[in-house]
Amino acid sequence: AAGVIQSPRHLIKEKRETATLKCYPIPRHDTVYWYQQGPGQDPQFLISFYEKMQSDKGSIPDRFSAQQFSDYHSELNMSSLELGDSALYFCASSQRGASGRRSGETQYFGPGTRLLVL
Amino acid sequence: QKEVEQDPGPLSVPEGAIVSLNCTYSNSAFQYFMWYRQYSRKGPELLMYTYSSGNKEDGRFTAQVDKSSKYISLFIRDSQPSDSATYLCAMSEYNNNDMRFGAGTRLTVKP
Repeated sequence: AAGVIQSPRHLIKEKRETATLKCYPIPRHDTVYWYQQGPGQDPQFLISFYEKMQSDKGSIPDRFSAQQFSDYHSELNMSSLELGDSALYFCASSQRGASGRRSGETQYFGPGTRLLVL
Repeated sequence: QKEVEQDPGPLSVPEGAIVSLNCTYSNSAFQYFMWYRQYSRKGPELLMYTYSSGNKEDGRFTAQVDKSSKYISLFIRDSQPSDSATYLCAMSEYNNNDMRFGAGTRLTVKP
């Protein structure tokens, strides 16, 4: 079965640079979530999108932005990178359905992008 | 205090043992409870998903939810070396995508 695809899998950047992470959800999934997992930490919810509109916002820094495109893929844009941004960034997708009602639908995670900021 | 508390371990057991993993939470609005397994350098993989209090069984795995005590558990029977991973509990409210994770318990099953 198709899974969530993330690219790149690994990324090395220097401080103050920008980075763009991409996420391709499972086919027919309409909702995308972004999480940040620091070393030895649990995943922290950043932001989610449903049908190309921002749905919920978590602990996403102002330096980060994200969007979901017409083909449902999503991109997380990170600017003015800091050392503390080094982490695993996971994308997850789910199928919420036409009602758009959030009802604890199952989220399926991608393999993650490992970002290292030097 | 974090909304979801989980003992990070590490937990080491012999092959064939019964493993018990637990999480407590403080937010009574949590309605959905999940257990994820995460292998090193991989994304979390959904193991179990429960909505109501009680037990849910799937093969060697049993998830237990006690909403009155704000306590959830995952039991692994006949544990195998391939079960060695970090197990994360996660939970969310009825109308909120903000899934809160526990710290994860690192489990090692020794042959």
